[in-house]
Amino acid sequence: AQSVTQPDIHITVSEGASLELRCNYSYGATPYLFWYVQSPGQGLQLLLKYFSGDTLVQGIKGFEAEFKRSQSSFNLRKPSVHWSDAAEYFCAVAPYNNNDMRFGAGTRLTVKP
Amino acid sequence: DAGVIQSPRHEVTEMGQEVTLRCKPISGHNSLFWYRQTMMRGLELLIYFNNNVPIDDSGMPEDRFSAKMPNASFSTLKIQPSEPRDSAVYFCASSFGTGGRRTEAFFGQGTRLTVV
Repeated sequence: AQSVTQPDIHITVSEGASLELRCNYSYGATPYLFWYVQSPGQGLQLLLKYFSGDTLVQGIKGFEAEFKRSQSSFNLRKPSVHWSDAAEYFCAVAPYNNNDMRFGAGTRLTVKP
Repeated sequence: DAGVIQSPRHEVTEMGQEVTLRCKPISGHNSLFWYRQTMMRGLELLIYFNNNVPIDDSGMPEDRFSAKMPNASFSTLKIQPSEPRDSAVYFCASSFGTGGRRTEAFFGQGTRLTVV
């Protein structure tokens, strides 16, 4: 079965600094990959997804992620973080042929003024 | 569309009572998921349905948990009897399509369950 590892439980960055959140997955074939964001007390909102094609994916709110098959990674990046980006970020993986989507443990982002 | 609608938003119940959580997926979506979120275990997939049929319920913790989807626009997750360790936020999500032609999962706002 597929699985996801987010190595960083908590990251703190200064407003305006760049951000990279790590995600590694385990799955035998080409997966579907997702990044979701969750604000306190809210549901999960999709930031971006990778199904196929260009391995650099653009998402909402200025986020992007790059699929690297050789490293089994799908890291999320943003060039300049805003205070409103403080939230919990989840990476998820699903197989091509079914909807069994599994989430990582999440990375909590704190933004310093 | 109003998105995935869950009810209630908050539920407080006593141990041993039956709890029913409800979900209305996005109209036209054919897959529905129930997740549980806790600090200790993160987001766990409990069960998912495709075209109203349960496909994988291996994540359901034990027989006290059951889920149904009587039609394409409604699903329930029932816990009977409830226990304090069931306290969590329960999310419902839905998506459209299958295989290589499917959307991402859209999540509801969740139901925060507290069992005292």
